[in-house]
Amino acid sequence: DAKTTQPTSMDCAEGRAANLPCNHSTISGNEYVYWYRQIHSQGPQYIIHGLKNNETNEMASLIITEDRKSSTLILPHATLRDTAVYYCIVRGGSQGNLIFGKGTKLSVKP
Amino acid sequence: DVKVTQSSRYLVKRTGEKVFLECVQDMDHENMFWYRQDPGLGLRLIYFSYDVKMKEKGDIPEGYSVSREKKERFSLILESASTNQTSMYLCASSLDFISYEQYFGPGTRLTVT
Repeated sequence: DAKTTQPTSMDCAEGRAANLPCNHSTISGNEYVYWYRQIHSQGPQYIIHGLKNNETNEMASLIITEDRKSSTLILPHATLRDTAVYYCIVRGGSQGNLIFGKGTKLSVKP
Repeated sequence: DVKVTQSSRYLVKRTGEKVFLECVQDMDHENMFWYRQDPGLGLRLIYFSYDVKMKEKGDIPEGYSVSREKKERFSLILESASTNQTSMYLCASSLDFISYEQYFGPGTRLTVT
C-alpha cells in the first residue's frame, strides 16, 4: 500500500477555506485516496474519496493532481466544529481494513 | 445516515474478567470491523467479518474473539481482560468487502484495572 505524508498541524480562520495537502507519490493505478477525520473523543468519520477525478460532496472537495501523486482536501468554509485530526489514506485491493497514519491536526480559530 | 452504535462509551473492568463489547449497525452493511486505538499507535485492526458467522483475524487478534450471529451485530469478546487491553475500541461497518468507506461508532473507552 502507498504511504502518505501529511503536515503535522495546520491552523485556519473560521469562515475561510481549509486546504489540507497529502503526498502519496507511490500510489498505484488501482488505489483510491480516502479522507477521514476524527474529532476529539469520537470515532473517525468518513469524508470523501476519489480515484483520479476531482470529487465534491456536502462536506468537502477532493482535488487529485493529474499524476495522482498528491491531493488536497478542501473544506470551503471552515467552522470551529471542523477542528479535528484529518487522515489521508491510500487503499486498494480487497482486504477491507483501513490504515490510519498520524494525520494533520487542523485547528479552526475564531 | 448510517448509524453505528456501541453498547458503552466508558467501561471499567478488573483483570481476568470476561468483557463483551457490542456493536450494532442499521444500514444492512455486509462488513463489520473492530479496531483499537492507542496513542502513538493509531488504529489497529483486531477482527473483521464479511458475513454472518464469518470472521477473519486482523493485525492484533491475540486475546480477543468475536461473534456475528446476526448481520447487524458484531461483538468483541475479551476472554480474560488484562491491563494491556486498556484502550479505545472502535467498531465500524462498510457496505461490501472492497469498500473503504467505513462508518464508525462513537467508541468504547475500556479501562482494565
